[in-house]
Amino acid sequence: GAVVSQHPSWVICKSGTSVKIECRSLDFQATTMFWYRQFPKQSLMLMATSNEGSKATYEQGVEKDKFLINHASLTLSTLTVTSAHPEDSSFYICSARVLAVYNEQFFGPGTRLTVL
Amino acid sequence: AQSVTQLGSHVSVSEGALVLLRCNYSSSVPPYLFWYVQYPNQGLQLLLKYTSAATLVKGINGFEAEFKKSETSFHLTKPSAHMSDAAEYFCAVSRYSGGGADGLTFGKGTHLIIQP
Repeated sequence: GAVVSQHPSWVICKSGTSVKIECRSLDFQATTMFWYRQFPKQSLMLMATSNEGSKATYEQGVEKDKFLINHASLTLSTLTVTSAHPEDSSFYICSARVLAVYNEQFFGPGTRLTVL
Repeated sequence: AQSVTQLGSHVSVSEGALVLLRCNYSSSVPPYLFWYVQYPNQGLQLLLKYTSAATLVKGINGFEAEFKKSETSFHLTKPSAHMSDAAEYFCAVSRYSGGGADGLTFGKGTHLIIQP
């Protein structure tokens, strides 16, 4: 149980285009999802907290107009990287919090974004 | 604010030897603490967590960690290293909020190398 999937697992796009990454909780309902970013050989940095049916809360320094987050259902959150640039290339990982297990997050496998 | 310090970006041990990965935290509230493992190009897998219950926490794959409030530490240990333990290990801390644990603050990670 508590499986989180991400789609796509990797994506290559041209500079200036937008890319959408999906995060799904497959066998549970997640009222809260988190989005992290990981640069090569570095740690994960929390980008934003996404609550179902409300606006995402972004961490300081994260551009909310560039990283659009939507959490329209209890099993799906999306991250859209708008007008992507090479510096946005990174590993994006989502996690979901199970309502009944409030002190644990389950992580997706990550999405590798490369912007040319 | 919370922070996590992992001492040693790389730790090398012989197969069968003791594994010790160090983690110190800073938190303004009683913390929830976690250890995760990450294999190349994959998401994170939870090894164990401390959530204010027993201070000695046992996790998967023979790992355990001890919460020491006086030392603000949460070091990860395993009595006997196996080749399959080679991976990146992250210590993380979260706050407790009214709705449950917040997004995580990660340490920089420790790359564990197992020598045959």
